[in-house]
Amino acid sequence: DTGVSQDPRHKITKRGQNVTFRCDPISEHNRLYWYRQTLGQGPEFLTYFQNEAQLEKSRLLSDRFSAERPKGSFSTLEIQRTEQGDSAMYLCASSLQRGSQYFGPGTRLLVL
Amino acid sequence: AQTVTQSQPEMSVQEAETVTLSCTYDTSESDYYLFWYKQPPSRQMILVIRQEAYKQQNATENRFSVNFQKAAKSFSLKISDSQLGDAAMYFCAYPFGNEKLTFGTGTRLTIIP
Repeated sequence: DTGVSQDPRHKITKRGQNVTFRCDPISEHNRLYWYRQTLGQGPEFLTYFQNEAQLEKSRLLSDRFSAERPKGSFSTLEIQRTEQGDSAMYLCASSLQRGSQYFGPGTRLLVL
Repeated sequence: AQTVTQSQPEMSVQEAETVTLSCTYDTSESDYYLFWYKQPPSRQMILVIRQEAYKQQNATENRFSVNFQKAAKSFSLKISDSQLGDAAMYFCAYPFGNEKLTFGTGTRLTIIP
């Protein structure tokens, strides 16, 4: 068990570009969550999956954001036409059923 | 309202001493979990301890324990024998609908050698 992994760890992009982040959950976990954390704040929920089904999306997740979890394994979070306000740490977590959520190291995004 | 409140933005404690971090929450649910997470500087979020609301016994994990007062909707974290490695942001979290975590604003804990 290697824990939750995320790639890349850091991403710098120019405003208007598209970016994609990947999350690999703990292997036996069927639930996967995405959160966003800005400096000095606690994480905020974005969306979550049970297996391959996306069950809920936060109002924070605008139309420029899309998340997928094909085959119920890894997940991707894509941001289209990035804006400076998208700069944040994007955290992924996984859990078994409704158990404790375990977090990955996060992807820090900076939009210039 | 579904909120989690941490009223102590910063706390400090002498090494080897005991410190208590406060958290209150508001919910209409009756069966739920509560969590404390630790986030060291520039490092990932680590689960410290979990409490099931139906359990009257307070959870304990080594030097970490909670004081869970369900009626008062209070969930404090006690760290005994504080160590330098305990320095971090500590977040209290409540999974609304037993799914999405809502976090407090965090308490920055400093350990004084």
